[in-house]
Amino acid sequence: EVQLVESGGGLVQPGGSLRLSCAASGFTFSSYDMHWVRQATGKGLEWVSAIGTAGDTYYPGSVKGRFTISRENAKNSLYLQMNSLRAGDTAVYYCARGRGVGAFDIWGQGTMVTVSS
Amino acid sequence: QSALTQPASVSGSPGQSITISCTGTSSDVGGYNYVSWYQQHPGKAPKLMIYEVSNRPSGVSNRFSGSKSGNTASLTISGLQAEDEADYYCSSYTSSSTNVFGTGTKVTVL
Repeated sequence: EVQLVESGGGLVQPGGSLRLSCAASGFTFSSYDMHWVRQATGKGLEWVSAIGTAGDTYYPGSVKGRFTISRENAKNSLYLQMNSLRAGDTAVYYCARGRGVGAFDIWGQGTMVTVSS
Repeated sequence: QSALTQPASVSGSPGQSITISCTGTSSDVGGYNYVSWYQQHPGKAPKLMIYEVSNRPSGVSNRFSGSKSGNTASLTISGLQAEDEADYYCSSYTSSSTNVFGTGTKVTVL
């Protein structure tokens, strides 16, 4: 079964750091672009980052310089290192598998990140 | 990068057809055939319904179809069913090599 399972969410103070993980199974992880997408409670989806099969990375302006996406193909794992966290980063964070360009065909169940003092 | 614009809500009776619009710019929707659509039920992860403007993944009902004209993409749901009641989001690749989602549309089956 093709599956993505996120972990690492929790409560962190403003200015703090957190590292999310996403474990992939059921497909050849190294062959796919991977993404992180977040959703604040009651709000819409926001694309957060992407990493290509060659390790190239992409970010929107809202997280560039604070978040770092990485992958470890030998462990079928995707990561998101989040630094200088703000209240506005509070959301459920999903990892998603890329399908071609600009589409996300497999999603994890999400992990909650709360930034609060 | 601003979110793509979708209507906040769309409703229809069972069996009817509805269309959800997704308006961007020439730097995203209008510039690429990389528009996708997602269905999200409450408390669940999004599900890919349409990719590359009009392609359906295996397992998605043919009642769902997508199209694009200029800077506006559209998702049409025909033969509306109770199970189609959900939030729907469009997404587009952009000229900055990023991705942007739409504001989201709540579909209500009357």
